[in-house]
Amino acid sequence: GDSVTQMEGPVTLSEEAFLTINCTYTATGYPSLFWYVQYPGEGLQLLLKATKADDKGSNKGFEATYRKETTSFHLEKGSVQVSDSAVYFCALSDLAGGSEKLVFGKGTKLTVNP
Amino acid sequence: GAGVSQSPSNKVTEKGKDVELRCDPISGHTALYWYRQRLGQGLEFLIYFQGNSAPDKSGLPSDRFSAERTGESVSTLTIQRTQQEDSAVYLCASSGPGRGETQYFGPGTRLLVL
Repeated sequence: GDSVTQMEGPVTLSEEAFLTINCTYTATGYPSLFWYVQYPGEGLQLLLKATKADDKGSNKGFEATYRKETTSFHLEKGSVQVSDSAVYFCALSDLAGGSEKLVFGKGTKLTVNP
Repeated sequence: GAGVSQSPSNKVTEKGKDVELRCDPISGHTALYWYRQRLGQGLEFLIYFQGNSAPDKSGLPSDRFSAERTGESVSTLTIQRTQQEDSAVYLCASSGPGRGETQYFGPGTRLLVL
């Protein structure tokens, strides 16, 4: 079945450092790809998404490009802030399968120190 | 507007008891999902409702788990004869109208089975 593998955490960075969180997927169809974020004490919210190959999703300075050839959707940010400290989840949804369920990776906890 | 709401926010129960968790989706959203997040794990899909179609129950871990949804409104997830391994955060999400829309998550119900 479909699956998502993402970089194990935790990740600790200093403010203004460059961030990469790796994510690769396995899917039988052509899935849509997502990054969700869970800030401390808050619910899960969509950060960005891409629905087809070579699409780039972006939001709040974060970017991820849908790479079909490497089945990857790595999350990047050029300069992280303390407020980016959160748990990040990579996910896919394969509409071709009929169900719109999301398949999630295990999450990567990011801590940004001042 | 109002987001997805869930109740209770926390539930402590004894092994063997039944529990009922409630989800109120965003008004107008035709799709509703239940997920489970166990400590240190990613989110696991449990069940998906889309309009009047038969639900996708493929993620329910055992026959102790069941869920209902009344039309396009409230859903309840019932766990019978709870076990300690059922301890987790249960998350509800909704999306729509239409397919391929972003899923919006509720704050979750934290269930602890003693």
